[in-house]
Amino acid sequence: EPEVTQTPSHQVTQMGQEVILRCVPISNHLYFYWYRQILGQKVEFLVSFYNNEISEKSEIFDDQFSVERPDGSNFTLKIRSTKLEDSAMYFCASSEAGIKGETQYFGPGTRLLVL
Amino acid sequence: AQTVTQSQPEMSVQEAETVTLSCTYDTSESNYYLFWYKQPPSRQMILVIRQEAYKQQNATENRFSVNFQKAAKSFSLKISDSQLGDTAMYFCAFTVTSGTYKYIFGTGTRLKVLA
Repeated sequence: EPEVTQTPSHQVTQMGQEVILRCVPISNHLYFYWYRQILGQKVEFLVSFYNNEISEKSEIFDDQFSVERPDGSNFTLKIRSTKLEDSAMYFCASSEAGIKGETQYFGPGTRLLVL
Repeated sequence: AQTVTQSQPEMSVQEAETVTLSCTYDTSESNYYLFWYKQPPSRQMILVIRQEAYKQQNATENRFSVNFQKAAKSFSLKISDSQLGDTAMYFCAFTVTSGTYKYIFGTGTRLKVLA
């Protein structure tokens, strides 16, 4: 069964450094998402992406964040200048057609630790 | 505000027994979808069960069933005949059908099935 994959599984970085988290969505899916979960807190929506554009973003998704689909398979989340509070598990997800209420398929997450 | 509350951070159950995980949510929307996702250790979140709010009938999927009480905004998950492979983090989530693709998640319940 097709799965969303994410790399790396763990990333440790110094505050102020740039990180890129990578995701490979399911191949025939058209909508892509990033969520994050700070330890002990809720999984929070960051951004949705369709047709090479951001379709929706949360107030968390400020100017330090960006997303890109650099080729036909990868979907990336870049954090330009990491802060301690960016330490979290980051989940990528994809869905087939962007129909409201359809199932989103999640990757295993990347655990980011900012020191 | 739209929120999901999972009041049980951790639960355990003996193998072959039944366990119920609770979830309450808040939304002013009338049409939405509810989900339970399972995340085994170091694996991706996978969909366990999905419920459409306008459907009266509770969703079932093999040993997994929900008790959906729309008026009470409650969406509990019952796992029957628990198996060791059910050990995982369980997330409750919902999404409305108007204006957004994002899922609203709870903090999760860590379930351990004991041999």
